Amino acid sequence: SAVISQKPSRDICQRGTSLTIQCQVDSQVTMMFWYRQQPGQSLTLIATANQGSEATYESGFVIDKFPISRPNLTFSTLTVSNMSPEDSSIYLCSAPSGETQYFGPGTRLLVL
Amino acid sequence: SQQGEEDPQALSIQEGENATMNCSYKTSINNLQWYRQNSGRGLVHLILIRSNEREKHSGRLRVTLDTSKKSSSLLITASRAADTASYFCATVATSGTYKYIFGTGTRLKVLA
Repeated sequence: SAVISQKPSRDICQRGTSLTIQCQVDSQVTMMFWYRQQPGQSLTLIATANQGSEATYESGFVIDKFPISRPNLTFSTLTVSNMSPEDSSIYLCSAPSGETQYFGPGTRLLVL
Repeated sequence: SQQGEEDPQALSIQEGENATMNCSYKTSINNLQWYRQNSGRGLVHLILIRSNEREKHSGRLRVTLDTSKKSSSLLITASRAADTASYFCATVATSGTYKYIFGTGTRLKVLA
């Protein structure tokens, strides 16, 4: 299994600002994933963070809005840029181990 | 949308009763997994069932998979108040990626 931590656990931000979320895995992994969970909804994949190459974004998500870094095999960051109230969500990172994905505890973001 | 559907959306039962949740998906899969999420926190992996398996047990959990109907069910027996959570199914396409498609989720409330 993989143990994943995220920082911050929650934040309240003003519209127009940016927030960077950090994700740390306790073992080296090739891929890491970032998900968004809007209030009362399911999880939607934002992008796949690949070490040594650009992140791969899903339809509806763009790099300018959600830039991702992956400097090594255990760490990734997701930035939510130029935030609006519609960005209020839980953001989760995950990493695979065997056939399973393990998730971090999430970052609860509220944009005012 | 590729998202799977789960039903019921919400379920309220008494402690000691069994809870059954259903998941339907749209594409061919390699495996299907069930996760639990407590109160907007991270996801906890519960059980994985492969496409060539029909039933799997883990403690009080029983999962079935019917690939001909593209559906799965999760049964929690002898429920406890601590089982109160949202439950999501997640599928991985047979293309072999780790990109999960999550169902819409079932919110389970177990009354003491």
